[in-house]
Amino acid sequence: NAGVTQTPKFQVLKTGQSMTLQCAQDMNHNSMYWYRQDPGMGLRLIYYSASEGTTDKGEVPNGYNVSRLNKREFSLRLESAAPSQTSVYFCASRSMTSGSGDTQYFGPGTRLTVL
Amino acid sequence: AQSVTQLDSQVPVFEEAPVELRCNYSSSVSVYLFWYVQYPNQGLQLLLKYLSGSTLVKGINGFEAEFNKSQTSFHLRKPSVHISDTAEYFCAVSGANAGGTSYGKLTFGQGTILTVHP
Repeated sequence: NAGVTQTPKFQVLKTGQSMTLQCAQDMNHNSMYWYRQDPGMGLRLIYYSASEGTTDKGEVPNGYNVSRLNKREFSLRLESAAPSQTSVYFCASRSMTSGSGDTQYFGPGTRLTVL
Repeated sequence: AQSVTQLDSQVPVFEEAPVELRCNYSSSVSVYLFWYVQYPNQGLQLLLKYLSGSTLVKGINGFEAEFNKSQTSFHLRKPSVHISDTAEYFCAVSGANAGGTSYGKLTFGQGTILTVHP
């Protein structure tokens, strides 16, 4: 099992450009999440998908859109990138099995710089 | 709504010394509590979690944490640290309803950078 994978690992954009961050999990989890990590602020939830076909806003959704393409894939789109969106982005999926309890598994992250 | 405060942004210690990383939370509902570790340029890895039962929780790499409901704390401890424990540690909380079902959304603290010196 690869777990949670994210592409790309690094990206540099100019202000106003658009891009999509891809995330996939092979653990058959229902719920998936997008976080951003900024120094001294921990991780903040951008959007989440409790199950295939549903998405909801998190704490910092402005400037982002998401698509739950299928059970495996959950993408994050920046329509018009701004320097304030320079951050490290993490995707996670959540296990609710009796063995592992309530646990989120994280991908390796995408480091995004907006100039 | 819930919030998490990690009381120390940086904790330097010498190898083989004990360490405690402090975490306090606030929530209007029942909570599940987690500690994650992030090594440089990597994603987050679960260290341990409290869902119910015994308030003393043991995790990987010799770490443990104690849930204290009256003090709304979930401090992380290790009796003897190694150089390889140098990393950033995050405390997180997830609210749960009266039936014990988690809402599934994690709220993270600001992180504590643990640096272990030889």
